[in-house]
Amino acid sequence: QVQLVQSGSELKKPGASVKVSCKASGYTFTRYSMAWVRQAPGQGLEWMGWINTNLGNPTYAQGFTGRFVFSLDTSVSTAHLQISSLQAEDNAVYYCARVLPGYGLDVWGQGTTVTVSS
Amino acid sequence: DTQMTQSPSTLSASVGDRVTITCRASQSISNWLAWYQQKPGKAPKLLIYKASNLESGVPSRFSGSESGTEFTLTISSLQPDDFATYYCQQYNSYPWTFGQGTKVEIK
Repeated sequence: QVQLVQSGSELKKPGASVKVSCKASGYTFTRYSMAWVRQAPGQGLEWMGWINTNLGNPTYAQGFTGRFVFSLDTSVSTAHLQISSLQAEDNAVYYCARVLPGYGLDVWGQGTTVTVSS
Repeated sequence: DTQMTQSPSTLSASVGDRVTITCRASQSISNWLAWYQQKPGKAPKLLIYKASNLESGVPSRFSGSESGTEFTLTISSLQPDDFATYYCQQYNSYPWTFGQGTKVEIK
């Protein structure tokens, strides 16, 4: 079945970097773009942007430029989200989700909790 | 950016009630609107796409409708499994944007 499995929770110090992975299975990885969505504690869903898994070009929403990088390793059907210079405001659950044209986000990863604390 | 205004933010209802959640777009999004259900500690789940199309496997008590830039999610008879938070999302133009969410609580 179609599945997205994300890497485990991360605890990082302020100023450090983190890389979250999202491994796809059950479909051809490069046929569908991958989106990233953030959810701060007790808050709603926030669109971070997406990456074209065929061309590899990312598009970032406002507020997610500079410290946030979307990347791919198509050899293992995996998308990555890297966040540098971590700050307390980066405390959140980060989700990857498959973009199905015309449908929205039809399959989601289970989420990865990133905690930034000294 | 297209703003999505969702209401109410919280809704208290009983099992068997008919529940309606509304989402208004700040500009035309055609029918490029999805509804998601999220339970605590879980990822969102797609319920409805293109405003009124039920995702495979979703119970038929869920339905969606549109009128211009106003979109509605209706649960015809609320079941215990339906207590959750619901989000709308427009995917007409980037950045895709979500409503603020509606928490459906037990009355």
